[in-house]
Amino acid sequence: DAKTTQPPSMDCAEGRAANLPCNHSTISGNEYVYWYRQIHSQGPQYIIHGLKNNETNEMASLIITEDRKSSTLILPHATLRDTAVYYCIVRVAKAAGNKLTFGGGTRVLVKP
Amino acid sequence: NAGVTQTPKFQVLKTGQSMTLQCAQDMNHNSMYWYRQDPGMGLRLIYYSASEGTTDKGEVPNGYNVSRLNKREFSLRLESAAPSQTSVYFCASSEDLAPSGGYTFGSGTRLTVV
Repeated sequence: DAKTTQPPSMDCAEGRAANLPCNHSTISGNEYVYWYRQIHSQGPQYIIHGLKNNETNEMASLIITEDRKSSTLILPHATLRDTAVYYCIVRVAKAAGNKLTFGGGTRVLVKP
Repeated sequence: NAGVTQTPKFQVLKTGQSMTLQCAQDMNHNSMYWYRQDPGMGLRLIYYSASEGTTDKGEVPNGYNVSRLNKREFSLRLESAAPSQTSVYFCASSEDLAPSGGYTFGSGTRLTVV
């Protein structure tokens, strides 16, 4: 699976949009971009995923560049409960076992 | 809807003791996984089971064994616990083929080996 690069930390103001970047310049054509988050002391939580089109769900939006070498997770109206570590992961969706490889992630602190 | 249930939530072991961490999912998922997370680190895959009856090693399998008891249950065993195995252990499950959705994780087992 391709490796990803994320900033180690970022702050965001409550109520504002949080834009979390991820670089995956070695991504292959059959690899999806997945985002998870981990709130302190809890198990990781799936947020969203995409292949090449932008995606939106009730939690967030995912913007993938046309060359697929980078993406941005957007939390449209950050709340204090969005404080967490956010992981960007790329992987082949139908690979045996669908293994996820977690990197260091971005530690997001939402401030009042 | 329970999702992925892990037991116990906390455990303290003495070096050399053995124990089994239990995991069960009620989503009819085919694939199940065990990860460990050390303080301030990301998750590392220990073992996984692509489907009932199969298990494979992940990144850090040494010191562990697993059993896929049936489709619902996937256990992780420490035969002779070492302080280096002090960690938080997460179990997860997923559908095996479809990219929709993602992994569902349990709430973790916090293990301390003294």
